[in-house]
Amino acid sequence: SAVISQKPSRDICQRGTSLTIQCQVDSQVTMMFWYRQQPGQSLTLIATANQGSEATYESGFVIDKFPISRPNLTFSTLTVSNMSPEDSSIYLCSVTISGGVRETQYFGPGTRLLVL
Amino acid sequence: GESVGLHLPTLSVQEGDNSIINCAYSNSASDYFIWYKQESGKGPQFIIDIRSNMDKRQGQRVTVLLNKTVKHLSLQIAATQPGDSAVYFCAENRGGSYIPTFGRGTSLIVHP
Repeated sequence: SAVISQKPSRDICQRGTSLTIQCQVDSQVTMMFWYRQQPGQSLTLIATANQGSEATYESGFVIDKFPISRPNLTFSTLTVSNMSPEDSSIYLCSVTISGGVRETQYFGPGTRLLVL
Repeated sequence: GESVGLHLPTLSVQEGDNSIINCAYSNSASDYFIWYKQESGKGPQFIIDIRSNMDKRQGQRVTVLLNKTVKHLSLQIAATQPGDSAVYFCAENRGGSYIPTFGRGTSLIVHP
């Protein structure tokens, strides 16, 4: 498994501003992922971030709105830009670790964002 | 009993009972399945996984059953405890993909 931490754990932001969320892993991993989880809902993948290359975004998510950095094998950031109340959500980073039946995803504790 | 709420289906059980959480998947190409537990205020936590060439896998107090004929996955929790109260998500990996697709989730409430 992996120990994943996120900063901040929660924040309240004004519309129009931007917030950068940090994700730190205690081991080197190739792939990191960013998810959004709206209240009472399941997880939706935003993008996949590999070290040394640009992030790959899922349908409905764009780099201008959710720029991602992946400067090394243990760290990534997700920025939520020009925020609106619709961006209020939990943002989760995750990594894949080999083991068990197959590679499995492990998640950080999440960043709870409220946009006013 | 089981009901569908505004957001998540909910399963309420008494402490000590066995719980069964069900999940239907739609893609016959899915070859790997995972159950996650998400407690309030935390990220999803891996519980147990199963590959499509298996129909049952057991862990500590948990068993996952896979029925490929009807595309159904279940998580059985034995002797359910209040600490098992959480939202449980099933996830499927589709044909070689390493990125799971998450199901809707079921809220398990364990009454002492």
